Amino acid sequence: SYVLTQPPSVSVAPGKTARITCGGNNIGSKSVHWYQQKPGQAPVLVIYYDSDRPSGIPERFSGSNSGNTATLTISRVEAGDEADYYCQVWDSSSDHPRVFGGGTKLTVL
Amino acid sequence: QITLKESGPTLVKPTQTLTLTCTFSGFSLSTSGVGVGWIRQPPGKALEWLALIYWDDDKRYSPSLKSRLTITKDTSKNQVVLTMTNMDPVDTATYYCAHSASYGDYLHFDYWGQGTLVTVSS
Repeated sequence: SYVLTQPPSVSVAPGKTARITCGGNNIGSKSVHWYQQKPGQAPVLVIYYDSDRPSGIPERFSGSNSGNTATLTISRVEAGDEADYYCQVWDSSSDHPRVFGGGTKLTVL
Repeated sequence: QITLKESGPTLVKPTQTLTLTCTFSGFSLSTSGVGVGWIRQPPGKALEWLALIYWDDDKRYSPSLKSRLTITKDTSKNQVVLTMTNMDPVDTATYYCAHSASYGDYLHFDYWGQGTLVTVSS
């Protein structure tokens, strides 16, 4: 089965850049999506197709994907960005698609 | 405007069967490429995908839970139903349904319901 590996936590000071990684075997050949989840709320899609932003998501959120690592980058981090972030892929050729990474808690110092 | 809302019991006893309903609006589950999935999240833990049903009635299940899950759709009622048998306290979680309009390897969930907390306890 396909495993997505995320660091449990990332800390960043306000105004700096946060990078959250999602590791997987040859993940660069897959389409990666990212979700933000704040406490007590449903997840919100922030990046899809590796680097596209849904309408309403700030340009500060960007994504990249190459080799064995996909990365969610949040520029000029704000206190309101503090949340859990999950990466997601889908392997339609598998009868047993794996979906979400384990999540990363972003702490704004 | 796409909205989804989960409904069902908040408390079930061990060994019972859980039935959750996702009622949606703003899209049709008979439209090519559309799917509705169920995802759960135990308190303080990560998201876990459970099941997905496509517009053409193709169904996918989490391998670890496949024997316990059934997903169905009622297009006329704009509803998707998930049943999970033999409930256990470890199944205590918030259960979400979510919309996808991206088929195949590009699948992702662009709209989510608010979630419903299900507690399994005797």
